[in-house]
Amino acid sequence: GESVGLHLPTLSVQEGDNSIINCAYSNSASDYFIWYKQESGKGPQFIIDIRSNMDKRQGQRVTVLLNKTVKHLSLQIAATQPGDSAVYFCAVRTGANNLFFGTGTRLTVIP
Amino acid sequence: DGGITQSPKYLFRKEGQNVTLSCEQNLNHDAMYWYRQDPGQGLRLIYYSQIVNDFQKGDIAEGYSVSREKKESFPLTVTSAQKNPTAFYLCATSRGGQSRKDGYTFGSGTRLTVV
Repeated sequence: GESVGLHLPTLSVQEGDNSIINCAYSNSASDYFIWYKQESGKGPQFIIDIRSNMDKRQGQRVTVLLNKTVKHLSLQIAATQPGDSAVYFCAVRTGANNLFFGTGTRLTVIP
Repeated sequence: DGGITQSPKYLFRKEGQNVTLSCEQNLNHDAMYWYRQDPGQGLRLIYYSQIVNDFQKGDIAEGYSVSREKKESFPLTVTSAQKNPTAFYLCATSRGGQSRKDGYTFGSGTRLTVV
């Protein structure tokens, strides 16, 4: 099976600072990882993904880091903006199984 | 626009009633999923379907039923057997297939409240 947990349920950052949201997973065979952003009353939106053959992937203002040794995934958001305030979920897939979602971290950006 | 349409956005159910939540997609995705989301919790899988006319129970299928008669549609019925149905329901799709590594695309959700 799989369990996915985020280290902090809430995170507050000052506007302009960098944010780091962490996620831990349990199954060493997990091979695909995604970060989603969910704004209030809306469905989750895809942010960035990474496969197990990589340890880092960058997007626009976001970076995902994967440490397979300790089964840890992080999402870094550069120069955090008020529009980044949302709940962030990591999702993990093992082989052909369905995605397994963490419980989410609520990011609050302080102006 | 390609996407997923969930309707209605808000739904109120009386005790003992069955209600059906609609999910329609025009992404030509094979796989469709229903998740339930409660405050402060992650997404819990109710049912999923990898192909038309086939579906599988997820982790919390009791009190729910689905059908997949068309590729585009995956309606979820919340039956009176579901004792605590008040939640936010999310429909998702993916291209599917064991060889694919892709994420899910989500609809905008239906908030169901028991009155």
